[in-house]
Amino acid sequence: KAGVTQTPRYLIKTRGQQVTLSCSPISGHRSVSWYQQTPGQGLQFLFEYFSETQRNKGNFPGRFSGRQFSNSRSEMNVSTLELGDSALYLCASSTETGRAFFGQGTRLTVV
Amino acid sequence: GQQVMQIPQYQHVQEGEDFTTYCNSSTTLSNIQWYKQRPGGHPVFLIQLVKSGEVKKQKRLTFQFGEAKKNSSLHITATQTTDVGTYFCAGQRAGGGNKLTFGTGTQLKVEL
Repeated sequence: KAGVTQTPRYLIKTRGQQVTLSCSPISGHRSVSWYQQTPGQGLQFLFEYFSETQRNKGNFPGRFSGRQFSNSRSEMNVSTLELGDSALYLCASSTETGRAFFGQGTRLTVV
Repeated sequence: GQQVMQIPQYQHVQEGEDFTTYCNSSTTLSNIQWYKQRPGGHPVFLIQLVKSGEVKKQKRLTFQFGEAKKNSSLHITATQTTDVGTYFCAGQRAGGGNKLTFGTGTQLKVEL
């Protein structure tokens, strides 16, 4: 089985711009979660989608949003980028037991 | 909100020494998982513990889940240079879907 695929791998954006990140989960996994990883805050949960519905949401501002398509692929969007949004964004697809498989991440740099 | 703390933050050992990292949740968990992240890499699943008091072994790695399902530990016997990385525990709560609350991580460095 192919693993979790995230695109793009690297992004450089300017403050105020918006960005869309993409995630293709492992075939058969209906749950996709997004995490932000920074040196200061560690790994923080953004949101989880299951069968196209947002099932859980972390404590991030409304500038962070996501969606899931009928084929389980997911996107997350960050609008009005701030310098503090620079991070590694990780997507994980999960089995029914909750075991998570992570993609390689998208490294976002905001300048 | 739920918090998961891990200690120590860093551990520097000589190859062949043992290593232990401890994880403590502020709330009762339905299960706890452990992940390893190599420098420049992404978290990779190691194990999932579900039962109170559960102990699981994977070669040189031993994982424990506390009786109260609020704490856990990972012990590595006779570390090797391939063990280098950051080890995270991550807890799930009942009714929380697949949301993982990650611990702060323990960065392990192994010297020859």
